[in-house]
Amino acid sequence: EPEVTQTPSHQVTQMGQEVILRCVPISNHLYFYWYRQILGQKVEFLVSFYNNEISEKSEIFDDQFSVERPDGSNFTLKIRSTKLEDSAMYFCASRKDRGSYEQYFGPGTRLTVT
Amino acid sequence: GESVGLHLPTLSVQEGDNSIINCAYSNSASDYFIWYKQESGKGPQFIIDIRSNMDKRQGQRVTVLLNKTVKHLSLQIAATQPGDSAVYFCAEKGGNTDKLIFGTGTRLQVFP
Repeated sequence: EPEVTQTPSHQVTQMGQEVILRCVPISNHLYFYWYRQILGQKVEFLVSFYNNEISEKSEIFDDQFSVERPDGSNFTLKIRSTKLEDSAMYFCASRKDRGSYEQYFGPGTRLTVT
Repeated sequence: GESVGLHLPTLSVQEGDNSIINCAYSNSASDYFIWYKQESGKGPQFIIDIRSNMDKRQGQRVTVLLNKTVKHLSLQIAATQPGDSAVYFCAEKGGNTDKLIFGTGTRLQVFP
């Protein structure tokens, strides 16, 4: 069964450093998402991406965040200058097409900012 | 990834019993709802979904009920098994967006 994959599973970085979190969505899916989950809190929407552009973003997704689909398979989330409060689990998700709403999530990347 | 359960509602059931997990949603304009299961160290796993033009949908051992009048969603798991132990999240999608808004989550514990 096709799955969303994410790398790395755990990333430790120092405050102020740039990180790139990587995702490979399900291959025939067209819509891509990033969510995050701070420890003990709800899963929160960050950004949605379709047709090579951002379709929606939350207030969390400020100028420090960016997304990219550099090739036909990868979908990345970059945080330019990490802050302590960026420590969280980051989940990538993908959705097949316009007619289906279910989003399939990857296993997540645990980002720890020290 | 998991929601550490310090403040997470917990439902404890005996193996073989039926479980009912409830969720209140916030947006009366939401047109789609989905239940996810999250096991420790893993991402949310799709269980079942329902669109707002329905009030019930059944899957394998799971049933989702939607009451739009009171903005309530429930997940029923029949014959609960130890492998069902996890945190369960409901999520809603607004009518003019495709982002999912997640609920707080409920921890289901199944004991023998």
